[in-house]
Order: sequence, then C-alpha cells, then structure tokens
Amino acid sequence: DTGVSQDPRHKITKRGQNVTFRCDPISEHNRLYWYRQTLGQGPEFLTYFQNEAQLEKSRLLSDRFSAERPKGSFSTLEIQRTEQGDSAMYLCASSAPRVTGGLDTQYFGPGTRLTVL
Amino acid sequence: DQQVKQNSPSLSVQEGRISILNCDYTNSMFDYFLWYKKYPAEGPTFLISISSIKDKNEDGRFTVFLNKSAKHLSLHIVPSQPGDSAVYFCAASAGAGAQKLVFGQGTRLTINP
Repeated sequence: DTGVSQDPRHKITKRGQNVTFRCDPISEHNRLYWYRQTLGQGPEFLTYFQNEAQLEKSRLLSDRFSAERPKGSFSTLEIQRTEQGDSAMYLCASSAPRVTGGLDTQYFGPGTRLTVL
Repeated sequence: DQQVKQNSPSLSVQEGRISILNCDYTNSMFDYFLWYKKYPAEGPTFLISISSIKDKNEDGRFTVFLNKSAKHLSLHIVPSQPGDSAVYFCAASAGAGAQKLVFGQGTRLTINP
C-alpha cells in the first residue's frame, strides 16, 4: 500500500499528558498537511509543509501544538499538556504539484483518533 | 464563521435514483471546489473538483455543478449505488497549487436497495 499512513490509529491519554502522532506521506509528495476533525464537523486545517518548511499555521494551532517535518519526508504532530477539548480525529494529507497547474489533489490518511480522559 | 455549509446532515435515496448533495459558501475568494467521500475508519477520498471558471464538471456517474452568483454547488450521483453510502464533504480553496481546504460539515448519504 503506497497511500498516506498514520500512526497510531488510536490514542487514549490522560489530561495533561503529551502525545505525538506520525504521518508518512505518499513517497513522491513534497506537500504535507495536518487537519483536525471533531464529531459532526468537517476537517479543519491546522498546518501545511512544503518539503521541510512549515509554510502556514492555523490560529487553531495553539502554542501547545507543534508540527515538524525534519527531512521533508514524514511529519510529527505533538500536543503538549493535552486537554479534553483536544479529543478529535487528526488527519494527515499529502500532495504533489500538478503538471498542468491548478489545485493539488490532497490524499488523506486514515487518521489518528485521540481521546483525552 | 462557517465559510462552507452543508445544510443537510443526512440524505436517503433509493438505489438507481439520483442523489443530489448541496453546498453553499460565503467567501468570494474561493475559486476551487472539491467533493470528498468518507467511509467509516478511513480518511476522506477525493471524488471530483471544479474550478470557478467552469460551471459543470463530470466524471462518470458524478457531476458537480457550480453557481457562482448564488455561491452554491451541488454533487449529482446517477445512478446511485449501495457503495455510494458514505459521508460526503464539500471543500473549497482560494488559489491554485498547495492550499488549505475549508470543509463543510458533511452529509451522510444512505442508498437504500
């Protein structure tokens, strides 16, 4: 399977603990995105990388959240001092520039479901 | 501020009939629109897109219509099949290349045999 993979698929943690999620994009994709999805809502943009550079961050990404993509391949999303409101599905997507121009097609991974007790 | 809205949380359609899913947006800067389909325990899967320079795009059983003056788009699936049962998300973007997507809340489509 050469799609986007995410690990772990599920994470249960206690309030105040730190958690880290990993995303492995499709190998030839140089663009990587993180989204968060809460129950009954669509995915909300968190941040975006082009290669190793983090080019955009949402206001949703508080100072407790940090994302990295150190070698322009896989990415990690860390949440420090988790709160119950952080409980959500965290989705990763990747894309590559289109030869013909236009909007990239973003391919999503299966997500990591975080539950904060 | 919900910039992309899907006002129908659910829709039930008979197999073989047409399914019509609707989406409204408020941001005039949006110029690309997409539909994603999501099955349980999977990430969203890209279905079809349309640029604001067009008013219709077709791909097999799926057609997306864009009405810029009304800031409205719709996805038509015909004929509907049981495998189409999923949650459908409308998304929008302002600009080409790599852009963040703004999603609607989703519509759960159920195709009844």
